[in-house]
Amino acid sequence: DAKTTQPNSMESNEEEPVHLPCNHSTISGTDYIHWYRQLPSQGPEYVIHGLTSNVNNRMASLAIAEDRKSSTLILHRATLRDAAVYYCILRDATGANNLFFGTGTRLTVIP
Amino acid sequence: DGGITQSPKYLFRKEGQNVTLSCEQNLNHDAMYWYRQDPGQGLRLIYYSQIVNDFQKGDIAEGYSVSREKKESFPLTVTSAQKNPTAFYLCASSILFGHNSPLHFGNGTRLTVT
Repeated sequence: DAKTTQPNSMESNEEEPVHLPCNHSTISGTDYIHWYRQLPSQGPEYVIHGLTSNVNNRMASLAIAEDRKSSTLILHRATLRDAAVYYCILRDATGANNLFFGTGTRLTVIP
Repeated sequence: DGGITQSPKYLFRKEGQNVTLSCEQNLNHDAMYWYRQDPGQGLRLIYYSQIVNDFQKGDIAEGYSVSREKKESFPLTVTSAQKNPTAFYLCASSILFGHNSPLHFGNGTRLTVT
């Protein structure tokens, strides 16, 4: 199963952009890249997903490398409410449909 | 509002007892999932269901059982055979069982077995 690698933790100042990296060197051609975030004692919340092209929505932007072996979640202006654990996962279209969540990146936002 | 409801939020049981965790969704989603999360860990997939009356084992299905008799409901039973049942349990759903369908999560049930 294709897995992802993320830094354990990152810090950002409030109102500054945040770039959260994810490596997925064994990604297959049909895998979608999904990002979720989780606040303490809550279920994860969907943030964004993409296949090859960069994606934007009201929450964030997703930048996908040309070789698709890495991606970056971009929060344009971090707020205190963005402090959470961010998970990057791959969802494949074949077989068992990989739904593996690693330990993610814990984002701390400094006021 | 549409969403996923997990109940109860906290659940306490004695060792050796089976316990069933409820998961209901009114999103009209075909696929549903159960995950387990231990402190400081990521999410591990227990069972998933692509469609009503169908379900498949995930990575850590031993000691658990599920049913999917109705589209909106996917209860999880933690049996006495599960060696370490104390954990945070998360239910999720998606429109389809496809790689392009985001997962929608409930707010979890924290199970403590003593």
